[in-house]
Order: sequence, then C-alpha cells, then structure tokens
Amino acid sequence: AQSVTQLGSHVSVSEGALVLLRCNYSSSVPPYLFWYVQYPNQGLQLLLKYTTGATLVKGINGFEAEFKKSETSFHLTKPSAHMSDAAEYFCAVSDGSSNTGKLIFGQGTTLQVKP
Amino acid sequence: DTGVSQDPRHKITKRGQNVTFRCDPISEHNRLYWYRQTLGQGPEFLTYFQNEAQLEKSRLLSDRFSAERPKGSFSTLEIQRTEQGDSAMYLCASSLAVPYGYTFGSGTRLTVV
Repeated sequence: AQSVTQLGSHVSVSEGALVLLRCNYSSSVPPYLFWYVQYPNQGLQLLLKYTTGATLVKGINGFEAEFKKSETSFHLTKPSAHMSDAAEYFCAVSDGSSNTGKLIFGQGTTLQVKP
Repeated sequence: DTGVSQDPRHKITKRGQNVTFRCDPISEHNRLYWYRQTLGQGPEFLTYFQNEAQLEKSRLLSDRFSAERPKGSFSTLEIQRTEQGDSAMYLCASSLAVPYGYTFGSGTRLTVV
C-alpha cells in the first residue's frame, strides 16, 4: 500500500526566506508524485508533479521539488517566500503502474509567512 | 475551460436527512473523482469514474453513499440518512488521463447538525 508522510504540520518562515516543505512516501511501485496547494475554503490547485524523467521538477509560483528515490522523498522548495504563499500544502502519491489515477494525500503542511 | 464546478458550496442539514451534491467536470475530462476532506486532514479518496462507469469505490463509501455519472458528464454524490460524522468538505476533481494532475472544484462543505 502507498502512503505519504509530511513532516511538520506547521512551518513558519519570514518573507524572503527559503521555503522547505518535507514529504516522504512509501510505494512498492514507481510512484507519480504531486504537490497541491489549498487556500482557505477553496479546492486544491496543482503546483507540480513528477512522473518520469528529470528528477527536479519546476512548478508554478516559483516552487520546485526534487524526487529522490534513494531517500523516498519529494520535498518542495521555494527560494524566497512571499506573503501570498501562505496556505496549506499537500503532497500526494499515486500508483505509477495503475490506470486509476487515485491519489493518496499526506495530512498537509500549513505554511505561515511572517512579514 | 470553465473549471470544475460544485454545487452547492455549503450545505447544512439535520441528522437523518438525505443530501445530494453535484459536480460538473471540465467538459473534455473523462475521469472524475470524489474525495472527502475533514478538518486538518488531507483529502481521502471516495470513488472514481471513467466516463459513466464507476470503476473504484473506497471502503469509506458506506451503503449510505451513492455516486452516479450519467452519460459521462456531471456527477452526483448522495448521502442518505446523514450522520454527524459525515460533516466534511466533499471535493470533486476531473482529469484527462493518468498521469495528468487533477483539476479540483471548490468543494461542498457539509455540516450535519
């Protein structure tokens, strides 16, 4: 069975500082990995995804993530935080060998950006 | 592309009543998913349609829950005899194919009192 662990339910950074949100996954098959962002009372928006190929993937709003198979990690980073980045972030994994596209989500990390 | 629409945005119902939610996916997306999200948690998979066929259901989807997607277009999720534990955000998402990411709707927040 697949699972996702997001380390740290709350992360606080200062505006302009590096953002690092941690995600570790468990999967017995090659995974597809995703990061989504959710603003209050809204649905989730796809930030970026890893399927195959280049392990460093770039997404929207200046975010990027690196797939590290040896560490079973897919951490999300952004060099310089902006106030508008304050939101909840979810890491998700799907079975790369399945055709359903079902996602298993982590519990989320709330990012607070301080002025 | 008008996105994924969900209706209603909010629903307050008394315990024991039936409720129905609607989801209109992006028109060219043949895959449609329902997820449930409780406070402080990530979304949990409920069910999946490819066109009009319901291909997978989670164990979370008890006998009180039913979902349909007639003609492979919009979808409805019905909860019968609601319980307080059903209070959650119900999210709909659509996708063109694996491994494209989903487009989520804004969700329907259900409160059972």
